[in-house]
Amino acid sequence: DAGITQSPRHKVTETGTPVTLRCHQTENHRYMYWYRQDPGHGLRLIHYSYGVKDTDKGEVSDGYSVSRSKTEDFLLTLESATSSQTSVYFCAISEAGKKETQYFGPGTRLLVL
Amino acid sequence: AQRVTQPEKLLSVFKGAPVELKCNYSYSGSPELFWYVQYSRQRLQLLLRHISRESIKGFTADLNKGETSFHLKKPFAQEEDSAMYYCALRSYNTDKLIFGTGTRLQVFP
Repeated sequence: DAGITQSPRHKVTETGTPVTLRCHQTENHRYMYWYRQDPGHGLRLIHYSYGVKDTDKGEVSDGYSVSRSKTEDFLLTLESATSSQTSVYFCAISEAGKKETQYFGPGTRLLVL
Repeated sequence: AQRVTQPEKLLSVFKGAPVELKCNYSYSGSPELFWYVQYSRQRLQLLLRHISRESIKGFTADLNKGETSFHLKKPFAQEEDSAMYYCALRSYNTDKLIFGTGTRLQVFP
């Protein structure tokens, strides 16, 4: 497995609370991505980053923000969690974006009550 | 619009039977197609990509541009093939992957 870790691996929180998920890589890859995985929807891109402090929105970015202050860390924040954000969140990395495949982290299971 | 369709949510076969997981895509240019596999409660792993034209774990997939399909095939399914399979597309000029909704393959002994 590529050196990708996610923390926490499981989290239960209440509606309206802020939540931050962390993705950490040791591969020095330039591109990082956040997806959510839901039954019947597959994986959908939330946000991605193509470099430090360079981020862009994905398909389902509403309600989420991201930050990347250093190459190895990509943070996903739910400013005010809602039940519809209950999901499994996967981080992915790729070396050069267009030419390389993406490698995935182990996932974070988030339950919003 | 770019889209990946996996019409089967669940595919159940017996060990030793042939398997074909369907994937159709919608894209006007020249896409890159991938198959990812996710074993129970594990991370997604790349299974194969069309440009490499290789066989991984006995699986193959051929890009058919005329039918806009990238079906995944294996002649003899094994129990350890039971997993969730995702087809994904990456357009030529972007770095984003578009995933299908996935097909769960169950291989019974």
